[in-house]
Amino acid sequence: QSALTQPRSVSGSPGQSVTISCTGTTSDVGGYNYVSWYQQHPGKAPKLMIYNVSERPSGVPDRFSGSKSGNTASLTISGLQAEDEADYYCCSYAGRYTFVFGGGTKLTVL
Amino acid sequence: EVQLVESGGGLVQPGGSLRLSCAASGFSFSGYNINWVRQAPGKGLEWVSYISSSSRTIYYADSVKGRFTISRDSAKNSLYLQMNSLRDEDTAMYYCARDLPHWAFDIWGQGTVVTVSS
Repeated sequence: QSALTQPRSVSGSPGQSVTISCTGTTSDVGGYNYVSWYQQHPGKAPKLMIYNVSERPSGVPDRFSGSKSGNTASLTISGLQAEDEADYYCCSYAGRYTFVFGGGTKLTVL
Repeated sequence: EVQLVESGGGLVQPGGSLRLSCAASGFSFSGYNINWVRQAPGKGLEWVSYISSSSRTIYYADSVKGRFTISRDSAKNSLYLQMNSLRDEDTAMYYCARDLPHWAFDIWGQGTVVTVSS
């Protein structure tokens, strides 16, 4: 159950796009199409942004999109807004009712 | 309103025990699988445990296996986490999180803080 690998930080200016990567193994990211992404503002609970690699829950802006290639999943945020500044975590189902999270990425909107 | 509310956190000495609760409202609790997820101070999220809607399937992270026990009471719309033999590294915010039927967590509580320290 090793954590998925995410960059510690990314940044972008308002209106730009950023992509956050999430690298795992064939036992988690590469083995299942059950990657999810969470946004967490300081002092708040995480919020589901993407599930099933690329599906958005109701209410999540379509500026947020997800994809996967092999053992690496990605979250892309287009048209960056100030309120997007937060920590982002990827998560993958890892079989036998277990899950593994990434270490988290701090997004700074310049 | 669909919500989960955790309680039961606090300060406990190493080797001690604590029981966390998670009260559900606004949805059919008995129809959903639920998880515990924790976050150590300044650190990332860590999945802790899973329990199916029927309680028949239960799994734990290796870091807590043998020390923590997850359970639920559908009559009370509540989830529990019995934590024994607590260690310093169990210090964290503990969240309960509803399992969207796609192996993702769609509803989270506000969390309850557990501090293990002498």
